[in-house]
Amino acid sequence: GAGVSQTPSNKVTEKGKYVELRCDPISGHTALYWYRQSLGQGPEFLIYFQGTGAADDSGLPNDRFFAVRPEGSVSTLKIQRTERGDSAVYLCASSPGQGASYNEQFFGPGTRLTVL
Amino acid sequence: AQKVTQAQTEISVVEKEDVTLDCVYETRDTTYYLFWYKQPPSGELVFLIRRNSFDEQNEISGRYSWNFQKSTSSFNFTITASQVVDSAVYFCALSERDNFNKFYFGSGTKLNVKP
Repeated sequence: GAGVSQTPSNKVTEKGKYVELRCDPISGHTALYWYRQSLGQGPEFLIYFQGTGAADDSGLPNDRFFAVRPEGSVSTLKIQRTERGDSAVYLCASSPGQGASYNEQFFGPGTRLTVL
Repeated sequence: AQKVTQAQTEISVVEKEDVTLDCVYETRDTTYYLFWYKQPPSGELVFLIRRNSFDEQNEISGRYSWNFQKSTSSFNFTITASQVVDSAVYFCALSERDNFNKFYFGSGTKLNVKP
Protein backbone atom coordinates (compact mmCIF):
# COMPACT_ATOMS: atom_id res chain seq x y z
CA GLY A 1 0.00 0.00 0.00
CA ALA A 2 0.93 3.66 -0.13
CA GLY A 3 3.50 4.90 2.36
CA VAL A 4 3.73 8.21 4.17
CA SER A 5 3.77 11.12 1.77
CA GLN A 6 4.94 14.67 2.39
CA THR A 7 4.51 17.83 0.40
CA PRO A 8 6.27 19.82 -0.78
CA SER A 9 9.50 17.89 -1.15
CA ASN A 10 11.43 21.15 -1.12
CA LYS A 11 10.51 24.56 0.20
CA VAL A 12 12.61 27.68 -0.06
CA THR A 13 11.42 30.74 1.81
CA GLU A 14 12.70 34.01 3.11
CA LYS A 15 13.40 34.84 6.70
CA GLY A 16 10.27 36.04 8.44
CA LYS A 17 7.81 34.24 6.18
CA TYR A 18 5.19 31.67 7.17
CA VAL A 19 5.33 28.08 5.87
CA GLU A 20 3.11 25.03 6.01
CA LEU A 21 4.35 21.48 5.54
CA ARG A 22 1.90 18.68 4.89
CA CYS A 23 1.95 15.00 5.83
CA ASP A 24 -0.31 12.19 4.64
CA PRO A 25 0.11 9.14 6.89
CA ILE A 26 -0.36 5.51 5.98
CA SER A 27 -4.06 4.75 5.75
CA GLY A 28 -5.38 3.40 9.03
CA HIS A 29 -2.48 4.62 11.14
CA THR A 30 -3.79 6.53 14.12
CA ALA A 31 -0.47 7.88 15.36
CA LEU A 32 1.47 10.57 13.51
CA TYR A 33 4.82 12.15 14.32
CA TRP A 34 6.91 15.10 13.20
CA TYR A 35 10.69 15.17 13.44
CA ARG A 36 13.36 17.62 12.35
CA GLN A 37 16.66 16.42 10.94
CA SER A 38 19.61 18.76 10.62
CA LEU A 39 22.56 17.90 8.42
CA GLY A 40 24.65 15.09 9.86
CA GLN A 41 22.29 14.49 12.76
CA GLY A 42 19.62 12.04 13.69
CA PRO A 43 15.95 13.00 13.62
CA GLU A 44 14.83 15.12 16.54
CA PHE A 45 11.31 14.61 17.91
CA LEU A 46 8.93 17.55 17.59
CA ILE A 47 5.35 16.37 18.23
CA TYR A 48 3.20 13.27 18.25
CA PHE A 49 -0.53 12.94 17.54
CA GLN A 50 -2.82 10.14 18.59
CA GLY A 51 -5.92 10.70 16.50
CA THR A 52 -6.73 14.40 16.33
CA GLY A 53 -5.04 15.45 19.52
CA ALA A 54 -1.41 16.27 20.19
CA ALA A 55 -0.38 13.68 22.77
CA ASP A 56 3.13 15.06 23.22
CA ASP A 57 4.38 18.39 21.85
CA SER A 58 7.42 18.60 24.11
CA GLY A 59 9.82 18.74 21.16
CA LEU A 60 8.45 21.90 19.55
CA PRO A 61 11.32 24.39 19.92
CA ASN A 62 9.20 27.50 20.52
CA ASP A 63 5.79 29.03 19.89
CA ARG A 64 6.59 29.76 16.25
CA PHE A 65 6.01 26.07 15.60
CA PHE A 66 2.52 24.59 15.57
CA ALA A 67 0.96 21.43 14.16
CA VAL A 68 -2.59 20.30 13.58
CA ARG A 69 -4.37 17.12 12.58
CA PRO A 70 -8.04 18.16 12.47
CA GLU A 71 -9.56 14.96 11.12
CA GLY A 72 -7.11 12.46 12.50
CA SER A 73 -5.43 11.80 9.17
CA VAL A 74 -3.51 14.52 7.32
CA SER A 75 -1.33 16.77 9.44
CA THR A 76 0.15 20.20 8.81
CA LEU A 77 3.24 21.59 10.50
CA LYS A 78 3.16 25.37 10.57
CA ILE A 79 6.14 27.61 11.15
CA GLN A 80 5.67 31.33 11.66
CA ARG A 81 8.30 34.03 11.22
CA THR A 82 10.83 31.57 9.89
CA GLU A 83 14.47 31.93 10.84
CA ARG A 84 17.59 30.67 9.10
CA GLY A 85 18.09 28.20 11.93
CA ASP A 86 14.81 26.50 10.97
CA SER A 87 16.46 25.18 7.81
CA ALA A 88 16.39 21.38 8.02
CA VAL A 89 14.59 18.34 6.68
CA TYR A 90 11.21 17.91 8.35
CA LEU A 91 10.21 14.27 8.59
CA CYS A 92 6.78 12.87 9.19
CA ALA A 93 6.10 9.33 10.38
CA SER A 94 3.04 7.27 11.23
CA SER A 95 2.44 4.11 13.20
CA PRO A 96 -0.56 1.82 13.74
CA GLY A 97 -1.15 3.22 17.23
CA GLN A 98 -2.47 -0.09 18.50
CA GLY A 99 -1.68 -3.76 18.43
CA ALA A 100 1.64 -5.49 18.84
CA SER A 101 3.45 -3.16 16.44
CA TYR A 102 1.72 -0.02 17.65
CA ASN A 103 4.84 2.13 17.85
CA GLU A 104 6.71 0.95 14.78
CA GLN A 105 7.12 4.23 12.94
CA PHE A 106 7.18 4.45 9.16
CA PHE A 107 8.72 7.59 7.72
CA GLY A 108 7.96 9.77 4.75
CA PRO A 109 10.59 11.20 2.39
CA GLY A 110 10.71 14.52 4.21
CA THR A 111 10.40 18.17 3.27
CA ARG A 112 13.66 20.04 2.90
CA LEU A 113 13.10 23.57 4.20
CA THR A 114 15.59 26.28 3.34
CA VAL A 115 15.23 29.70 4.92
CA LEU A 116 17.23 32.37 3.14
CA ALA B 1 23.09 13.76 28.07
CA GLN B 2 22.71 11.77 24.91
CA LYS B 3 20.29 8.89 25.34
CA VAL B 4 21.63 7.09 22.28
CA THR B 5 25.27 7.13 21.26
CA GLN B 6 26.57 5.92 17.95
CA ALA B 7 30.28 6.52 18.31
CA GLN B 8 31.18 5.48 14.77
CA THR B 9 30.54 8.46 12.55
CA GLU B 10 31.58 6.75 9.33
CA ILE B 11 32.75 3.28 8.38
CA SER B 12 34.14 2.12 5.04
CA VAL B 13 34.36 -1.54 4.06
CA VAL B 14 34.90 -3.51 0.91
CA GLU B 15 32.05 -5.60 -0.44
CA LYS B 16 31.64 -9.01 1.21
CA GLU B 17 33.23 -7.86 4.46
CA ASP B 18 31.24 -8.16 7.66
CA VAL B 19 30.61 -4.94 9.55
CA THR B 20 29.20 -4.13 12.99
CA LEU B 21 27.53 -0.84 13.85
CA ASP B 22 27.58 0.04 17.52
CA CYS B 23 24.76 1.53 19.55
CA VAL B 24 24.91 2.36 23.25
CA TYR B 25 21.87 3.68 25.03
CA GLU B 26 21.14 5.26 28.38
CA THR B 27 17.89 4.99 30.30
CA ARG B 28 16.70 4.60 33.87
CA ASP B 29 13.61 2.73 32.76
CA THR B 30 13.40 -1.03 32.97
CA THR B 31 10.87 -1.06 30.14
CA TYR B 32 11.91 0.46 26.83
CA TYR B 33 12.17 -0.20 23.11
CA LEU B 34 15.15 -0.09 20.79
CA PHE B 35 15.07 0.40 17.03
CA TRP B 36 17.32 0.46 14.00
CA TYR B 37 16.57 2.46 10.87
CA LYS B 38 18.38 2.72 7.54
CA GLN B 39 18.54 6.02 5.63
CA PRO B 40 19.77 5.46 2.06
CA PRO B 41 20.94 8.36 -0.10
CA SER B 42 17.35 8.87 -1.24
CA GLY B 43 16.67 10.11 2.29
CA GLU B 44 13.70 8.05 3.44
CA LEU B 45 14.19 6.27 6.77
CA VAL B 46 13.48 2.56 6.52
CA PHE B 47 12.44 0.60 9.59
CA LEU B 48 14.64 -2.44 10.23
CA ILE B 49 13.88 -3.80 13.69
CA ARG B 50 12.21 -3.15 17.05
CA ARG B 51 13.18 -4.88 20.30
CA ASN B 52 11.67 -4.49 23.72
CA SER B 53 13.75 -4.50 26.87
CA PHE B 54 12.40 -7.85 28.02
CA ASP B 55 13.55 -9.71 24.96
CA GLU B 56 17.33 -10.09 24.90
CA GLN B 57 17.31 -12.81 22.30
CA ASN B 58 19.54 -12.00 19.38
CA GLU B 59 17.80 -11.78 16.05
CA ILE B 60 18.88 -12.69 12.56
CA SER B 61 17.16 -11.63 9.36
CA GLY B 62 19.02 -12.69 6.26
CA ARG B 63 22.40 -10.92 6.28
CA TYR B 64 21.36 -8.72 9.21
CA SER B 65 21.73 -9.63 12.86
CA TRP B 66 21.28 -7.74 16.10
CA ASN B 67 22.99 -8.28 19.42
CA PHE B 68 21.11 -6.83 22.41
CA GLN B 69 23.04 -6.81 25.69
CA LYS B 70 21.41 -5.12 28.65
CA SER B 71 24.54 -5.61 30.77
CA THR B 72 26.43 -3.18 28.54
CA SER B 73 23.39 -1.15 27.38
CA SER B 74 24.21 -1.97 23.80
CA PHE B 75 22.18 -2.94 20.75
CA ASN B 76 24.67 -3.60 17.97
CA PHE B 77 23.86 -4.31 14.36
CA THR B 78 25.93 -6.59 12.14
CA ILE B 79 25.74 -6.88 8.39
CA THR B 80 27.28 -10.07 7.06
CA ALA B 81 28.81 -10.16 3.57
CA SER B 82 28.11 -6.48 2.97
CA GLN B 83 26.91 -5.28 -0.41
CA VAL B 84 27.12 -1.91 -2.15
CA VAL B 85 23.36 -1.50 -1.63
CA ASP B 86 23.96 -1.50 2.11
CA SER B 87 25.61 1.91 1.80
CA ALA B 88 23.49 4.27 3.88
CA VAL B 89 23.31 6.05 7.20
CA TYR B 90 22.07 3.80 9.97
CA PHE B 91 20.30 5.15 13.03
CA CYS B 92 19.66 3.54 16.37
CA ALA B 93 16.75 4.86 18.46
CA LEU B 94 15.28 4.44 21.94
CA SER B 95 11.81 4.96 23.34
CA GLU B 96 11.06 4.88 27.04
CA ARG B 97 8.20 4.00 29.36
CA ASP B 98 6.85 7.52 29.84
CA ASN B 99 6.15 7.75 26.12
CA PHE B 100 6.87 4.78 23.91
CA ASN B 101 5.96 6.87 20.91
CA LYS B 102 8.72 9.45 21.44
CA PHE B 103 11.93 8.27 19.82
CA TYR B 104 15.42 9.43 20.74
CA PHE B 105 17.73 8.91 17.78
CA GLY B 106 21.48 8.61 17.75
CA SER B 107 23.51 10.74 15.38
CA GLY B 108 23.88 7.89 12.92
CA THR B 109 26.69 5.88 11.36
CA LYS B 110 27.41 6.34 7.69
CA LEU B 111 28.35 3.05 6.07
CA ASN B 112 30.24 3.08 2.78
CA VAL B 113 30.50 -0.27 1.04
CA LYS B 114 32.95 -0.19 -1.83
CA PRO B 115 32.89 -2.69 -4.69
